[in-house]
Amino acid sequence: AQSVTQPDIHITVSEGASLELRCNYSYGATPYLFWYVQSPGQGLQLLLKYFSGDTLVQGIKGFEAEFKRSQSSFNLRKPSVHWSDAAEYFCAVVPNAGGTSYGKLTFGQGTILTVHP
Amino acid sequence: DAGITQSPRHKVTETGTPVTLRCHQTENHRYMYWYRQDPGHGLRLIHYSYGVKDTDKGEVSDGYSVSRSKTEDFLLTLESATSSQTSVYFCAIKGVTDTQYFGPGTRLTVL
Repeated sequence: AQSVTQPDIHITVSEGASLELRCNYSYGATPYLFWYVQSPGQGLQLLLKYFSGDTLVQGIKGFEAEFKRSQSSFNLRKPSVHWSDAAEYFCAVVPNAGGTSYGKLTFGQGTILTVHP
Repeated sequence: DAGITQSPRHKVTETGTPVTLRCHQTENHRYMYWYRQDPGHGLRLIHYSYGVKDTDKGEVSDGYSVSRSKTEDFLLTLESATSSQTSVYFCAIKGVTDTQYFGPGTRLTVL
């Protein structure tokens, strides 16, 4: 079945350490790819997105993500994590980009990030 | 901020009662969506709309209906609420760049 997978349910890092959150998808064509962040009790905020072109995309709050077609992955990275980055992170996909998908998003299960001082 | 509001923000209701959640947008977007968020499942699409009176089902539509009689409002109705519908409900709009922006959410508890 077509899906979006975030293999890590919970990640803990120390403040100042680097971070990589994994996302894999199982759609044949290149989808539109997104990362969202959700702080406790809040809505979802868009961090970054990939539609086409340069496979390394920059987002807000110092985050970046790299699209790797051969691995069907879109991993999120940050070189130095701040305590305020503690939140839940969601990878999301529009499977039939450019087609008649009506822009419907399919989400991964989410990764909860805990930051230790 | 994509000008999306949801009401109510919190609701507690009893099994078997009807519930309607409202999503309101101020920027005339054509596409609107309802998702539910549950631990371990991320967000899952309930229904979506691609215009006034144009709606379709998503992945988890059983037990839910929607209506869109004007561009700015997208209503989600639980005809007879069940405990399995306890969740956080998010409305979203799709902007011109094929990017979705989300409302603040409604926390619904069905006792």
